[in-house]
Amino acid sequence: AIRMTQSPSSFSASTGDRVTITCRASQGISSYLAWYQQKPGKAPKLLIYAASTLQSGVPSRFSGSGSGTDFTLTISCLQSEDFATYYCQQYYSYPITFGPGTKVDIK
Amino acid sequence: QLQLQESGPGLVKPSETLSLTCTVSGGSISSSSYYWGWIRQPPGKGLEWIGSIYYSGSTYYNPSLKSRVTISVDTSKNQFSLKLSSVTAADTAVYYCARLLAVDEFFDYWGQGTLVTVSS
Repeated sequence: AIRMTQSPSSFSASTGDRVTITCRASQGISSYLAWYQQKPGKAPKLLIYAASTLQSGVPSRFSGSGSGTDFTLTISCLQSEDFATYYCQQYYSYPITFGPGTKVDIK
Repeated sequence: QLQLQESGPGLVKPSETLSLTCTVSGGSISSSSYYWGWIRQPPGKGLEWIGSIYYSGSTYYNPSLKSRVTISVDTSKNQFSLKLSSVTAADTAVYYCARLLAVDEFFDYWGQGTLVTVSS
């Protein structure tokens, strides 16, 4: 199975900050990567797929980049509603695997 | 608007079988464009893919759970189901059903999730 790692595991940020979360795959996955946002008590919400394609309805302050083994999720100007946990997911091969998550909380 | 809703017992005894159903509304489970999947999340932990099914009945399972998992589909009811046998406390989790694209297996629609606790 492809192992996904994320860094950092958590961090604190302020509204208006530019934040970047990193996801790394244990082997190359081309661009078969998705990003999700999860708030407490809620289901994950798809933000980005194909590493950099924004899901319909997701604010443009979210962006994704990368290919192969290294990927990033960037929030250009953090808003109050963005404090959440973010997960990456590879769909290059079965079994589908997720990263362990990055929690973004308020500084 | 597509909606998915999980249903089933919230409490299961150790060694018994966990059974959940996902009802899809606002769209057809028989669409050739999608798979339908189950994901779980133990309290305070990350996400684990359990398995996926196509409307034809083709399935993919996580090898870590494959010996205990059965996913089935009922197109007449627009539902798909999960059975997980021989459960232990480690199977306590929020269980989500979700839709995946058949071409690219990311999850674009999710149910709200249902907590299943394994305890005697």
